[in-house]
Order: sequence, then C-alpha cells, then structure tokens
Amino acid sequence: GAVVSQHPSWVICKSGTSVKIECRSLDFQATTMFWYRQFPKQSLMLMATSNEGSKATYEQGVEKDKFLINHASLTLSTLTVTSAHPEDSSFYICSARERVMGGGEQYFGPGTRLTVT
Amino acid sequence: GQNIDQPTEMTATEGAIVQINCTYQTSGFNGLFWYQQHAGEAPTFLSYNVLDGLEEKGRFSSFLSRSKGYSYLLLKELQMKDSASYLCAVRDIGDSWGKLQFGAGTQVVVTP
Repeated sequence: GAVVSQHPSWVICKSGTSVKIECRSLDFQATTMFWYRQFPKQSLMLMATSNEGSKATYEQGVEKDKFLINHASLTLSTLTVTSAHPEDSSFYICSARERVMGGGEQYFGPGTRLTVT
Repeated sequence: GQNIDQPTEMTATEGAIVQINCTYQTSGFNGLFWYQQHAGEAPTFLSYNVLDGLEEKGRFSSFLSRSKGYSYLLLKELQMKDSASYLCAVRDIGDSWGKLQFGAGTQVVVTP
C-alpha cells in the first residue's frame, strides 16, 4: 500500500527558532499534500494544501509567513515553523493524495510531535 | 464549508456493537471517510462512501444517506484494541484538490 513518511517524528526546540518537517510519499507520486495540526483531544485541523510546483493554499486563520510550505517535487513537501513559540507545540500530520486519473485517496504520514520550550 | 457533527464519546463492552453517527452539511458532497486514530498516532483509513448504502469490511461497516446528510460507522465484536478516536471526514465536490474536513472525532472506550 501507499506509504507516507514524516521526519522527524518528534522534535523539541527553543522558542524563537525554526523547525522544518518533511513529508514524503515513498512509493507513489503525490499531486497534492495536505498539512494538518492536531492539539490534544481535538480533531485534525487543515492548515494548508500544497501542490507540486505552486504556492500553497492556506486555510483561514493560518499565517502563511509563519508556516512556510514548499512542495518541490511530487514526492516531497516541507513545512517550516518559523520563530516557533510554545503555543505552536502540537502534533503535525501530513497526508498525500496519489496522482491518478480521477483523483486519489489520501494517505497519512505518522505525524511529527513538536514541543517548543 | 461543511459542518460535521459526531458524538464526543461512547463506551461499550468487549464483544458488543457500537454505532457512531455522523451528520454533515456541505455545499457539494464528494465522499465521506471514516478514520481510526489511536492516541499519539496518525489516522488510519477505515472506509469510504460516496453512494448511498452500506459498505461492509470485516467487523467494520459504514453507511451513507446523502439525502439526509448522515453516515454511521458500525463496529461489531468489539475488541479492546478498538479503543480509539473515530473521525468522520467529508470531501467537497467544489474542491479540486480533494481536501477533507474532519469532525471532532468520537472517542470509543471499550471496557472488559
């Protein structure tokens, strides 16, 4: 089956620093990748939609200058949390949609737990 | 956008059946998904409904009624490992990227 990986699986950083999270589709090409954030005991909240070779589309309320998304290839998207603050501590999950005619299903990565101290 | 509602928590005993309801409102429906999520892990895909009716997959079944904006996930022969959060998600036909909007999730607690 389709596999999506994320790296790192967890990261601790100091307030004010930047953190980059990678999302890779390992055995398929992903036209579109999605970035979600999940706080404890809450559901997934879509942050942005990332398409290869174009600018990401951010959901309302998500700061594009703070959460930089780059989708450089059909198998890799990155999310950079800039100038991280403790309130950015969360579980970040990406998903990748397979590039097939008529669309494709989304496959989730294992998530990255970010803790900002 | 979509409004997706599902109960917050349900408790059932091992071996029993639990039905998790999900209602939604959307401007253009293009599929409903159920995911299972254990604490600290990413969601795993359970089922997908785009036409009315029941889809059965082993112990799990999912039902959809588009006219009512309603779906349910049925978990049969509950096992302790089924204790998890179950997320209902809807895809909008107006979104060419196929993004999903998730409900808040239903925490299922299976007791011995």
